[in-house]
Amino acid sequence: GQQLNQSPQSMFIQEGEDVSMNCTSSSIFNTWLWYKQDPGEGPVLLIALYKAGELTSNGRLTAQFGITRKDSFLNISASIPSDVGIYFCATQGAQKLVFGQGTRLTINP
Amino acid sequence: DTAVSQTPKYLVTQMGNDKSIKCEQNLGHDTMYWYKQDSKKFLKIMFSYNNKELIINETVPNRFSPKSPDKAHLNLHINSLELGDSAVYFCASSPVGSSYNEQFFGPGTRLTVL
Repeated sequence: GQQLNQSPQSMFIQEGEDVSMNCTSSSIFNTWLWYKQDPGEGPVLLIALYKAGELTSNGRLTAQFGITRKDSFLNISASIPSDVGIYFCATQGAQKLVFGQGTRLTINP
Repeated sequence: DTAVSQTPKYLVTQMGNDKSIKCEQNLGHDTMYWYKQDSKKFLKIMFSYNNKELIINETVPNRFSPKSPDKAHLNLHINSLELGDSAVYFCASSPVGSSYNEQFFGPGTRLTVL
């Protein structure tokens, strides 16, 4: 079945640093999504990408839909403590979403 | 104000018991889902319903039976609980026409089977 490879699996950074994570697949997709899960909560949609090459920002977050349609990137600038959580990439399968394994972000104050 | 709510938040039970988790959404969405998140945080869909009709059943054991009394509710009943059922279960919903992308998740139910 479809598999999304998300990296890194975890990140430990200092407050104020920029963060980059990515998601790749061997298959081509028409949609890439980025969700964030805060500790003890359900995932929340951050950014949705629908076009190859698209670059979309949401505050300090910027995500890109790769030109090959097989990957996507999420960047967070000037991280703050509330950025802690697990970030999931997701894409559209047959009438469902398929999620990556997640990137756990930890921030040292 | 709650968009997607689940009860209970925590559920601790013995092997072999039967339990139910309830989900309600007040967003007016037509499609609802159940996901299982394992200890490694991997999120996998179990079921989806569109307007009370089952759309997806992802090879989930028969012990799991979803029930949708109306399009705002999707409950999950689990029979004969096993140790491997311990996980966090998330309910989600999405509006019609969103191509399943814009899913709104509930806060999760942490199930622990002893």
